[in-house]
Amino acid sequence: EIVLTQSPGTLSLSPGERATLSCRASQSVSSSYLAWYQQKPGQAPRLLIYGASSRATGIPDRFSGSGSGTDFTLTISRLEPEDFAVYYCQQYGSSLVRITFGQGTRLEIK
Amino acid sequence: QMQLVQSGAEVKKTGSSVKVSCKASGYTFTYRYLHWVRQAPGQALEWMGWITPFNGNTNYAQKFQDRVTITRDRSMSTAYMELSSLRSEDTAMYYCASGTAVAGTDYWGQGTLVTVSS
Repeated sequence: EIVLTQSPGTLSLSPGERATLSCRASQSVSSSYLAWYQQKPGQAPRLLIYGASSRATGIPDRFSGSGSGTDFTLTISRLEPEDFAVYYCQQYGSSLVRITFGQGTRLEIK
Repeated sequence: QMQLVQSGAEVKKTGSSVKVSCKASGYTFTYRYLHWVRQAPGQALEWMGWITPFNGNTNYAQKFQDRVTITRDRSMSTAYMELSSLRSEDTAMYYCASGTAVAGTDYWGQGTLVTVSS
């Protein structure tokens, strides 16, 4: 099973700042199968990025994803108040076998 | 629009089973994977398994292999997740989510809270 380790555990920033969230895999992940989700308290997760760098429908362009192999990054260029939430990375493989999530990064207002 | 509506909250005894339903609408049910993901209080998301509604093929996380069964009723556009031998650690919010093989899981149900106690 591929283990995803996200860092930092908590990120404290102010609106308008740039956020950089990391996701490191225990073994190589095909870029086609790495996703990022946002989850706010009391809500279901929302898909932000799939295929490491493709934005899902309706996601603002301040969200971007990058990376390959074992190191992936989610960047939020200028934080809006509604962006403060928990973010999860997920790998889902070419045949969707042994899907795993990272443990999450909490993005909080400084 | 695409929507997944889950059954209501459940309270179960240790050792019993729970069956949660997920009704899909707004898209062709058989065209997308249907996943189940759970989240214990204050914890991370945990993938449990999926079903392909077209042919009923399933794939389960190793952790749940012996206790989870995912099924579907094509005529009702509904998927089900049954978890047996419940223990207190199974207390969690259970989500169904629809997705494709390439573009992640982009539609989620509202979640079903399952509480397990003795």
